[in-house]
Amino acid sequence: DVVLTQTPPTLSATIGQSVSISCRSSQSLLHSNGNTYLHWLLQRPGQSPQLLIYSVSRLESGVPNRFSGSGSGTDFTLKISGVEAEDLGVYYCVQGTHAPWTFGGGTKLELK
Amino acid sequence: EVQLQESGPGLVKPSQSLSLTCSVTGYSITSNYWGWIRKFPGNKMEWMGYISYSGSTSYNPSLKSRISITRDTSKNQFFLQLNSVTTEDTATYYCARYERHRGFDYWGQGVMVTVSS
Repeated sequence: DVVLTQTPPTLSATIGQSVSISCRSSQSLLHSNGNTYLHWLLQRPGQSPQLLIYSVSRLESGVPNRFSGSGSGTDFTLKISGVEAEDLGVYYCVQGTHAPWTFGGGTKLELK
Repeated sequence: EVQLQESGPGLVKPSQSLSLTCSVTGYSITSNYWGWIRKFPGNKMEWMGYISYSGSTSYNPSLKSRISITRDTSKNQFFLQLNSVTTEDTATYYCARYERHRGFDYWGQGVMVTVSS
């Protein structure tokens, strides 16, 4: 199975600070069809996960543009440019290139 | 708007079967893929399997022959059955829509299932 390693596991930030989360894959996530199926989710406390970024860098409708995704192959990054209070929660990367689909271990974003 | 809602018992005894229903509104389950994901105590998430628009299924090999996902298109529902549960199956279970390029884009609210005697 593909292992996704997220770092850091916990991130403390102040409001307005910019932060990044890394997601490294044990295999390239470039599919034979040329697409890369690496997505980012946020689970706020008490809520179900929601899609933030899909296919590495595409912003889901309704998600603020302070969120951005980048990367290729095995290394991917989620950046939040100016953390707001509503951004607190656990962030997950998830891959859909190789079966079985797998999730990263999560990064908990807390207020400093 | 696409909405999903899980239902089922919150407590299951060891060795018994866990059965959950996902009711979908606002979108037909005869399109896209419909999956089950669980979140264990802590942060670990596991994709369990899906049923496709055509009714074909795919399962996580880690669940071996314990899992079955079926559907009722007339009710726009799909179902999870997990057999021979142990305490390690205690988790919050989510149903979600999977779109090939967007990943898991719609989620249910989740149902917490505890396996205990």
